Amino acid sequence: ELKVEQNPLFLSMQEGKNYTIYCNYSTTSDRLYWYRQDPGKSLESLFVLLSNGAVKQEGRLMASLDTKARLSTLHITAAVHDLSATYFCAAWAQGGSEKLVFGKGTKLTVNP
Amino acid sequence: SQTIHQWPATLVQPVGSPLSLECTVEGTSNPNLYWYRQAAGRGLQLLFYSVGIGQISSEVPQNLSASRPQDRQFILSSKKLLLSDSGFYLCASRIIGLVSGELFFGEGSRLTVL
Repeated sequence: ELKVEQNPLFLSMQEGKNYTIYCNYSTTSDRLYWYRQDPGKSLESLFVLLSNGAVKQEGRLMASLDTKARLSTLHITAAVHDLSATYFCAAWAQGGSEKLVFGKGTKLTVNP
Repeated sequence: SQTIHQWPATLVQPVGSPLSLECTVEGTSNPNLYWYRQAAGRGLQLLFYSVGIGQISSEVPQNLSASRPQDRQFILSSKKLLLSDSGFYLCASRIIGLVSGELFFGEGSRLTVL
């Protein structure tokens, strides 16, 4: 059974600093997703990583995928308060499964 | 692009009462549809998914049920709510044939069972 683990689960950082959120998954999966959730809101798709070595960037966020290591990272550059949210990674369970498995989420707080 | 509507957005129900949450999708045909629940604390749990009208797969045995009476309508129901049914219910859609395979989520329905 696929397990998706994120760390850290809580991250408090100052504006202007850099940090990386890690997402490990336990079985082979060729696609990896990152979502953002603001408090009380639904999930918004951030990045779709479709192959080994894929890198996507949007503003101060950059996501990458290493399928051999079963690891995805979400790197935050020069954080700003607007990035405060909970970030989830997700992967499809094996073999054509219709189950998208989510990590527990990383709650990011960016302090002025 | 597709739009996913959920209602009601918020509801408070007593234990033992029935439940019906509705999800409708616009802008696409024959999507795969999903119900997730997010309990306080954040994790997302897949409850049901559907690949077509009348086709429902359950991921978690519980007192909830789902139905798909029309191509773009997905309903989550319960005959008798439990306290543990409280949470944020999210409907999601996946467009078949889209290479990315990502799920798009509706705005959610927040249920409090008292």
